[in-house]
Amino acid sequence: AQTVTQSQPEMSVQEAETVTLSCTYDTSENNYYLFWYKQPPSRQMILVIRQEAYKQQNATENRFSVNFQKAAKSFSLKISDSQLGDTAMYFCALKETSGSRLTFGEGTQLTVNP
Amino acid sequence: NAGVTQTPKFQVLKTGQSMTLQCAQDMNHEYMSWYRQDPGMGLRLIHYSVGAGITDQGEVPNGYNVSRSTTEDFPLRLLSAAPSQTSVYFCASSRDGPSNQPQHFGDGTRLSIL
Repeated sequence: AQTVTQSQPEMSVQEAETVTLSCTYDTSENNYYLFWYKQPPSRQMILVIRQEAYKQQNATENRFSVNFQKAAKSFSLKISDSQLGDTAMYFCALKETSGSRLTFGEGTQLTVNP
Repeated sequence: NAGVTQTPKFQVLKTGQSMTLQCAQDMNHEYMSWYRQDPGMGLRLIHYSVGAGITDQGEVPNGYNVSRSTTEDFPLRLLSAAPSQTSVYFCASSRDGPSNQPQHFGDGTRLSIL
């Protein structure tokens, strides 16, 4: 069974600073996808970034980047130049290519302070 | 283009009542799923469907039924509501299951069982 763990329930950062959110996972498969979703107070689930396990290069999307360590089964999210609008709950998620299920971590509540 | 539409947005039920949460998508997605979100537990998969006429259980299926008679619709039925089913429910869809395509989420339904 696939599992995802986010060990930081809450984090805070000053505006314009950099913050890293941690995520570890477990899967018996070699091929899978990893995602970070953002959930602002509006409750919408918004895709932030995705990573294919077969790609060695870390994904980046503007101020968001990941550190994907396949051997360690770690998938952290780095947010650079944090903005007030980044305040949200962030979820890490895993999907194995052999199936359809998306498994989520517990979430990390990030607060960006002015 | 509406994406994934969930109705209602809020609902209060009494223990033992039944109701159906509606979910519709207009993106011709094959894969649809229902999640519940509880504090500290992330999103947990209730049921999912890989196409019309095909459904399967997720992580927490007890107390819920689903059907998929059309590609567009995937309703979730609570047969006899219990206080433990108080939660926020999300419907999601994607082009197919085993791919890197992200899931598109509805805005959620906040359900309270008294």
